Amino acid sequence: GQQLNQSPQSMFIQEGEDVSMNCTSSSIFNTWLWYKQEPGEGPVLLIALYKAGELTSNGRLTAQFGITRKDSFLNISASIPSDVGIYFCAGRNTGGFKTIFGAGTRLFVKA
Amino acid sequence: NAGVTQTPKFQVLKTGQSMTLQCAQDMNHNSMYWYRQDPGMGLRLIYYSASEGTTDKGEVPNGYNVSRLNKREFSLRLESAAPSQTSVYFCASSEWRGTATGGADGYTFGSGTRLTVV
Repeated sequence: GQQLNQSPQSMFIQEGEDVSMNCTSSSIFNTWLWYKQEPGEGPVLLIALYKAGELTSNGRLTAQFGITRKDSFLNISASIPSDVGIYFCAGRNTGGFKTIFGAGTRLFVKA
Repeated sequence: NAGVTQTPKFQVLKTGQSMTLQCAQDMNHNSMYWYRQDPGMGLRLIYYSASEGTTDKGEVPNGYNVSRLNKREFSLRLESAAPSQTSVYFCASSEWRGTATGGADGYTFGSGTRLTVV
C-alpha cells in the first residue's frame, strides 16, 4: 500500500532557529496535510494543500505541495518552546477517504 | 465547542475481554474515522464511515468492528481483545468538500483513548 516517508524522525533545536521537515511518497497524492500533535492530545490540522506547487502559510508555518505531487515540505520560522510536539504529514487522493499518515517528526525546542 | 469527544480516555483490558470505544462529534460532519497510533508508525486507519449508514475497512481492520449509530456517533468494538491491540485510538471527523476540490476536508481529532491489553 501507499506509504509516506517523513524526515527527520526527530529534531533538537534552539529557540529562534528555523526548522524544515519533509515527507515523500512513492505514489502521488492530490492533497497534502500537515498536523501537529501535543502530548495527550489528538493531532490538530495546521495546513492543507490542494494543488501541486501550492505554497501556503499559517503564521510562522509554511508548507509546500511538491511539483511532482510525491512530496511536501513544512518550514517553521523562529521556533518557540510551544512549537514542541510531533508533526505529521498526511496524503490523500481526490474522492478518497483514506488519508495516509507519515510516522511523524518529533520536535524539541530548547529555550 | 466540544468538537470530537471520545470515551473512555483510559482503559485496561484482559486478553479476551470485549469493549466498545465511543465517539461523538457535534460539528455536523458527514465522515468519521477510527485510527490507531503506535510508536514510530504514525496513525493507521482501522475503519471509516463516509456518511451515515455506511462503513468501510481501512488499513488494519482485523479484530475490530464499527457502528455508525447516527450522524453524530461512530463506535469501535473489540470483540476479543489481544495484546497486539494495545494502542492509542483516535476518532476523527471531517466534512466533504466535493470531488473537484479534493474530497474530504482536514480531520478534527478527538483526544484519544489509551488502551492496554494485558
